[in-house]
Amino acid sequence: DIQMTQSPSSVSASVGDRVTITCRASQYISTVLGWYQQKPGEAPRLLIYDASNLQPGVPSRFSGSGSGTDFTLTISSLQAEDSATYYCEQANSFPYTFGQGTKLEIK
Amino acid sequence: EVQLVESGGDLVQPGGSLRLSCATSGFPFSVYWMTWVRQAPGRGLEWVGNINQDGGQTYYMDSVRGRFTISRDNAKSSLYLQMNSLRAEDTALYYCAKDLPTGWFLGGWGQGTLVTVSS
Repeated sequence: DIQMTQSPSSVSASVGDRVTITCRASQYISTVLGWYQQKPGEAPRLLIYDASNLQPGVPSRFSGSGSGTDFTLTISSLQAEDSATYYCEQANSFPYTFGQGTKLEIK
Repeated sequence: EVQLVESGGDLVQPGGSLRLSCATSGFPFSVYWMTWVRQAPGRGLEWVGNINQDGGQTYYMDSVRGRFTISRDNAKSSLYLQMNSLRAEDTALYYCAKDLPTGWFLGGWGQGTLVTVSS
């Protein structure tokens, strides 16, 4: 199975900051990677698919990049409502797998 | 409006069985891959398995293969997860999710149903 490793596991940042979360795959996955946001008590929400495509309705401050094994999710100007846990997911080969999550807190 | 509503979660003893259902509406169910994802209390997301549009293809994570079965009824716009030989480590909130039209990623989610495996 492909292992997905996110870093950092948690991050604290201030409103207006630029925040980057990374995701590394244990083997090549091309650009078949998605990013999800999950707030406490809620279901996850897809933010980015195919590594860099913004899901409709997602604010443009969110962006994704990368290919192969290394990927990043960037929030260009952090807002208070971005406090959540973020997960990457590879869908290149079965079984699909998620990263362990990155908890983002607002200072 | 896209809706996915899971049901069937319960407290079950180790070794027991349970069938989860996911009733959907607001989209053409029969043309989408569908997926089950679970989340143990306080833990991360875990991809359980998925099923193609006509139910002829299913894929599972290693630890549930042979114990869990995903099926669907396109006439009822419903997805199912039959879980047998349940273990304590299967305790989780189980989400059903709708893939994107292009497949692969999960563009719509239910609110989940809780399965607790304990004696």
